[in-house]
Formats: sequence, C-alpha cells, structure tokens
Amino acid sequence: QQPVQSPQAVILREGEDAVINCSSSKALYSVHWYRQKHGEAPVFLMILLKGGEQKGHEKISASFNEKKQQSSLYLTASQLSYSGTYFCGTEPGSQYSGAGSYQLTFGKGTKLSVIP
Amino acid sequence: DAGVIQSPRHEVTEMGQEVTLRCKPISGHDYLFWYRQTMMRGLELLIYFNNNVPIDDSGMPEDRFSAKMPNASFSTLKIQPSEPRDSAVYFCASSLGQIGQPQHFGDGTRLSIL
Repeated sequence: QQPVQSPQAVILREGEDAVINCSSSKALYSVHWYRQKHGEAPVFLMILLKGGEQKGHEKISASFNEKKQQSSLYLTASQLSYSGTYFCGTEPGSQYSGAGSYQLTFGKGTKLSVIP
Repeated sequence: DAGVIQSPRHEVTEMGQEVTLRCKPISGHDYLFWYRQTMMRGLELLIYFNNNVPIDDSGMPEDRFSAKMPNASFSTLKIQPSEPRDSAVYFCASSLGQIGQPQHFGDGTRLSIL
C-alpha cells in the first residue's frame, strides 16, 4: 500500500521552514526521501533505517518513528533551489526476519514551491 | 561515474505498436527497478530484478508488459501492443543490495501513445 504524504502542496517564502510527513500502514524497515524537479529524475536525499534515527543534510533533515510507521522531512531556511516535489519511499520489513527487501513504495509526493 | 542510462528519452508512437525501453544500470549494482510515473498514480514499481533474476513483477499492469534482464548491464521493458493509457514517464533505477543504499534513477523515457 502506498504511503500517505502530507501536505500535498506547500508554498514558502525564502527563509521559511517546512515539514513534510509520510505515514505508512505497514511495518517499515526504512524510509527513503527523494526530490524531483519538473522534467527530471528523482534525486536521492537520505535514507532512514528503523531505529528512530534522525539524519541531517545541510538544512534538510529527517526523522523516522518506527513504532508509528511515520517519517518527517524538515526543511529549514528554505532556498529557491529547494523547489520541487518530495517523495517518500517506504521499504517494508519482513514479518519474519525484520530485514528489508530493497523494494520501495512511493507516496504521491508533496509539491514544494519556494518564492522570493 | 556514469549514472543509470535510459533510452530513448522520448518515444511517440501509435496505438498497437510495440514499444521497447532500454536501461543500463550503474556498474556493480545488483538490483534493477522499473517504475512508471503518472499524475494520477504517482511513481509505481512495475518489476525489479536481483542479479538479473526477476524478483517481483506484481506491479506489471497486464500481459502486454514484459521485462527482461539478459545480463548485468542491460534491461528492457517491452509493451506490446501499446495503448494510449500506457502514456507515462518510465524510470529505471539501480542500487546495491546493501543496507542503507539508495536507488539511483535514470533520466526516464517519456512515452506517448497516440
């Protein structure tokens, strides 16, 4: 089943912050975040593995709550270059071993527009 | 380093014709994925391979779709016969089968079936 992302779209002024949420109904092994600009391929941002870790990437960071099967992407002090559609991809964990399968199911995306 | 290479970048053809999309994964990657992206359904996984063997093709919409990976450096996705509803952007991605490894996407093939 496809993870649910929220919000569907958001408009920010440069310098503002945003949070994008991703929620799954399945037990997860990992969550992957990608950004796609119009007419281009999705570009990898970061991976969060089960364990509730939080990762950072300059002014973009993310968290993963394994128990709630949720992940959030945090964009701080947004820049024009942050504009694009953000996708979470969820990797289910095996109900037997808990290991991942390397197979991702992507949400429908959150369109982020940063304006001057 | 060369990324995932897809061809053609654009394809326009008439309904009923056979369409073949091609993908060269990143050298050394042992997983290859085919996705379809549409406005309505988003990014859907069609099929994926591990060491050239199809692992899960449950996302392939119908028998008109087939995919092969004859060797570690080449895969094809074929649609025969094509229909207008197959119009979409088709992405190929590859990854290393290790914990914490991302999928790397090709630039995609924009397919239009008239």
